This record gives sequence, structure tokens and C-alpha cells, in this order.
Amino acid sequence: NAGVTQTPKFQVLKTGQSMTLQCAQDMNHEYMSWYRQDPGMGLRLIHYSVGAGITDQGEVPNGYNVSRSTTEDFPLRLLSAAPSQTSVYFCASNGGSRSPLHFGNGTRLTVT
Amino acid sequence: GNSVTQMEGPVTLSEEAFLTINCTYTATGYPSLFWYVQYPGEGLQLLLKATKADDKGSNKGFEATYRKETTSFHLEKGSVQVSDSAVYFCAPYSGGGADGLTFGKGTHLIIQP
Repeated sequence: NAGVTQTPKFQVLKTGQSMTLQCAQDMNHEYMSWYRQDPGMGLRLIHYSVGAGITDQGEVPNGYNVSRSTTEDFPLRLLSAAPSQTSVYFCASNGGSRSPLHFGNGTRLTVT
Repeated sequence: GNSVTQMEGPVTLSEEAFLTINCTYTATGYPSLFWYVQYPGEGLQLLLKATKADDKGSNKGFEATYRKETTSFHLEKGSVQVSDSAVYFCAPYSGGGADGLTFGKGTHLIIQP
């Protein structure tokens, strides 16, 4: 029973590099979302999806892209990494409106 | 949009002490209310929830009651343990996608033996 799986767990990038953070869930949840967690800032929503083929921007979308081609996967792409994107990134899924979120264990990203 | 007020701490207690973490919120409509817990190095986990006024959510000795008239959802535990040391997040969910869910900034709880 894997739940929400995020890879990699740790990543170091140089400024300007691109990468994709992977997120997969095996609970057949329609809703998925990406957050970043920074000290003193709490959790901030980056992008979210309410179903395959549907994505929307959250509070802090700049510098990130997402796509949702399948129910299971919701990758987050950093197009040109910047030091301000150093953070811990969490992917989450839930079964619908008002249902509880299930979180992955996070990806700790450092951009130098 | 929604907003959540909870103290950030750290809140330091001795083992077996009584715990209260206050949460007040503003939200559109009639939200469902959640408490999540985050242990070091892990993602958030659902601790308990309540979906309508006067509902009491409970789990692992923690309780919280949905108080619609005061827009509050305070978390309580009668006797805390060292293993309860974590960060606790209050979160009202008004509906829709994740944009309808708002997290508080989290309360860092430290329990000393």
C-alpha cells in the first residue's frame, strides 16, 4: 500500500538547470496537488489538478510547470532553477472536494 | 479567501501535561476542518477531522470540536507523550480543488521527558 510516492528524496541543482519532481499515487484519487514548505511560510500551493487533463495554478506557480496525463501521475517541472526555489516540495492527493489529503514524504531541493 | 490563525511556537511541555493548540479561521461557506501532524523528515498526515458544527474529531488521544459560532477548532490532548513531538497544522477546507484548502503555519510542539 504505497499511497503517494515522490522521487527523488534529495536533489541539488545549479542555477539555470531544469528538472522534474515525480509524484505517483495508487489510490485512484482524482485530485492532486503540489506544495512547497519553507521555514516561517508554512505550506504554499504551487499547482493543483482535479482530474486527468485538468490543471490550475495555486498561490506560487511562477517557475513551475505541471501536466496530468494520467490519474496516477502528477510531475512538477522546474524550467530554470533559481536559489529562491530551494525548498521542501510535497505532493498530495485526495479523493475529491473536502476529502483529506494524503501526502508524500517530500523532496528536499537545494539550488546553488 | 480562507485564513487560519494558530500559534507557531515552539510550545514546550513536560510529558503527561495537558495540551491545547488553538486554531481560529475565516472561511467561505461551511468548511470541513482538519488537523494534520508532521513528524521530522516526513510528510503531513491526517490526525483528525470534523465536517459539521459540534462534531468532535478524535484520534490517538487527540480531540477537536467544530465550533461554528466561534470559527474555532482547538486541538486538545489530556496527557502528552514524547512521541507527540511534531508540527501540527490546522486546515479548513471550503471545497473545490486544493485551492479551497488553507493550512495554518503550523505549531511546533516539543515534549520533554
